[in-house]
Amino acid sequence: KNQVEQSPQSLIILEGKNCTLQCNYTVSPFSNLRWYKQDTGRGPVSLTIMTFSENTKSNGRYTATLDADTKQSSLHITASQLSDSASYICVVSFGGYNKLIFGAGTRLAVHP
Amino acid sequence: DTGVSQDPRHKITKRGQNVTFRCDPISEHNRLYWYRQTLGQGPEFLTYFQNEAQLEKSRLLSDRFSAERPKGSFSTLEIQRTEQGDSAMYLCASSLALAGGSYNEQFFGPGTRLTVL
Repeated sequence: KNQVEQSPQSLIILEGKNCTLQCNYTVSPFSNLRWYKQDTGRGPVSLTIMTFSENTKSNGRYTATLDADTKQSSLHITASQLSDSASYICVVSFGGYNKLIFGAGTRLAVHP
Repeated sequence: DTGVSQDPRHKITKRGQNVTFRCDPISEHNRLYWYRQTLGQGPEFLTYFQNEAQLEKSRLLSDRFSAERPKGSFSTLEIQRTEQGDSAMYLCASSLALAGGSYNEQFFGPGTRLTVL
């Protein structure tokens, strides 16, 4: 069964600190892996997209890694800001029309 | 604003009523997707269109649900005889699929939050 699992389910950190979110997937055939940020009550916004051959991708303070052998990905957030408070969703794409399988997300709260 | 738009943003209805949501994708995007998201979960795929053709429907899309994209531009999602279990956020996304492209970015709208009383 195609699944995407994320950990932790929720996380609280202090402003300025770093954090790492984890994603494990069992999706085949794999096309690409994406990390989305979703603010409460809004649609998801893409942060990074990685194909099978890419093992790291950065977008500002966000750095995603991908290990296609172990089917694991991580999202590292550096120097967190209050505006980073959101749900971070790991999404794996497969199939010819890029069908997306979403994880349940990690809810991050950044406190001052 | 040239992003994906959805209307209405919120809908409260009584059980048994019909509701219809609208999605306007980014212009020239040929693919349009509908997802449902319940609290604390990631979005789940419902259906998708390539231009006006509905190419796949999830098992989540019961016969009370119908989606259309008549002219290959905007799309509507109708839920008939709503049930309390239909309460969720309904998200629309669009993308531009190019021949031979390995992947295409999906851009999401803000969603329509449905509450069935």
